[in-house]
Amino acid sequence: DGGITQSPKYLFRKEGQNVTLSCEQNLNHDAMYWYRQDPGQGLRLIYYSQIVNDFQKGDIAEGYSVSREKKESFPLTVTSAQKNPTAFYLCASSSLAGTKSSYNEQFFGPGTRLTVL
Amino acid sequence: DAKTTQPPSMDCAEGRAANLPCNHSTISGNEYVYWYRQIHSQGPQYIIHGLKNNETNEMASLIITEDRKSSTLILPHATLRDTAVYYCIVRVRGSQGNLIFGKGTKLSVKP
Repeated sequence: DGGITQSPKYLFRKEGQNVTLSCEQNLNHDAMYWYRQDPGQGLRLIYYSQIVNDFQKGDIAEGYSVSREKKESFPLTVTSAQKNPTAFYLCASSSLAGTKSSYNEQFFGPGTRLTVL
Repeated sequence: DAKTTQPPSMDCAEGRAANLPCNHSTISGNEYVYWYRQIHSQGPQYIIHGLKNNETNEMASLIITEDRKSSTLILPHATLRDTAVYYCIVRVRGSQGNLIFGKGTKLSVKP
């Protein structure tokens, strides 16, 4: 089945530790995104990438880092510099502008709920 | 991307139609209206999108007013599984970058 997988679903870390969240897609999408969602709020963009080895900061990139070494993978590292990392993290992917499929809507993974103790 | 306004919450009886409104009075001519929904603790799911004509698919119908300043998402026969937060988003089709999700409308379908 095609889709986006995020692992793990729940993650607990001690304050001051870096943690990496996994995101993999087999939809052959070029673009991938990371969003953060806090309780009762909408989604806020952390980073996005339109092509391998390239990525751009979103609205709340401070304290986060990403890499895009493969088209299928876009891992997010939450560093100790992120002041309030406890949140629900969502990864998404989409085809690029100008391609025919899916009208460029974004497909989302199931999310990872990170709790920093 | 244009800003949207949605009511924070709505209730609907199971089996009845759920009509979710969205105002987007500053929408520009090349911006589409997209609807996503998010069931609790899951990732958002694409529902439907449209430019100016009404659209229908297997999940829902989208009615866009003639002046395009507002739209309504219609779930014709709501079920308990349709309980979710529904997001209305306007953006240029095919544009890259993030989707701007507001707080959406929390739809509660009751038996």
